[in-house]
Amino acid sequence: DAKTTQPTSMDCAEGRAANLPCNHSTISGNEYVYWYRQIHSQGPQYIIHGLKNNETNEMASLIITEDRKSSTLILPHATLRDTAVYYCIVRVGSGGSNYKLTFGKGTLLTVNP
Amino acid sequence: DAGITQSPRHKVTETGTPVTLRCHQTENHRYMYWYRQDPGHGLRLIHYSYGVKDTDKGEVSDGYSVSRSKTEDFLLTLESATSSQTSVYFCAIKQRDTNSPLHFGNGTRLTVT
Repeated sequence: DAKTTQPTSMDCAEGRAANLPCNHSTISGNEYVYWYRQIHSQGPQYIIHGLKNNETNEMASLIITEDRKSSTLILPHATLRDTAVYYCIVRVGSGGSNYKLTFGKGTLLTVNP
Repeated sequence: DAGITQSPRHKVTETGTPVTLRCHQTENHRYMYWYRQDPGHGLRLIHYSYGVKDTDKGEVSDGYSVSRSKTEDFLLTLESATSSQTSVYFCAIKQRDTNSPLHFGNGTRLTVT
């Protein structure tokens, strides 16, 4: 799996957009970008994933640069409940190697009142 | 949330005793995984299953065994618990061998004294 680099921590004001960056400069053509988050004492929660097009769902938007070397997760209106560690992961979509989901240290997002 | 139930949620046991953790899913997903999470190590894959009675080792499988006799249940057994197996254990499920994401349970906190 390609290595990812994320900032250790970020702050965001409640109600504002939270933009979480991720660098994955060694990503391969068949690797997807996945975002998960983990709220304290809970299991990781899937947020969104994409290959090369921008994606949006009810939780967030994922913007992937044209060269696919970086991406940004956008929480459009952050709330206090979005305070969590956010993980960016890249991996192939299928095949045996995709079972080994490797989580790095992630970004601790703190949403402030 | 994905229909994943882990039991027990908390357990304290003594060194040398066998321990079995259970993961139960109601999603009829084919793939199931056991991870452990420790400070400084992130999530590490212990074992996974790609179907009933089909299992394989992950990166930290020593001291653990698994069984999957039916689609909905994936059991993790610590054959003789050691203090190094004190951890939070997460079960995850995945629908298909494609880019579908993993969905995690809320974990079992195991303490081996």
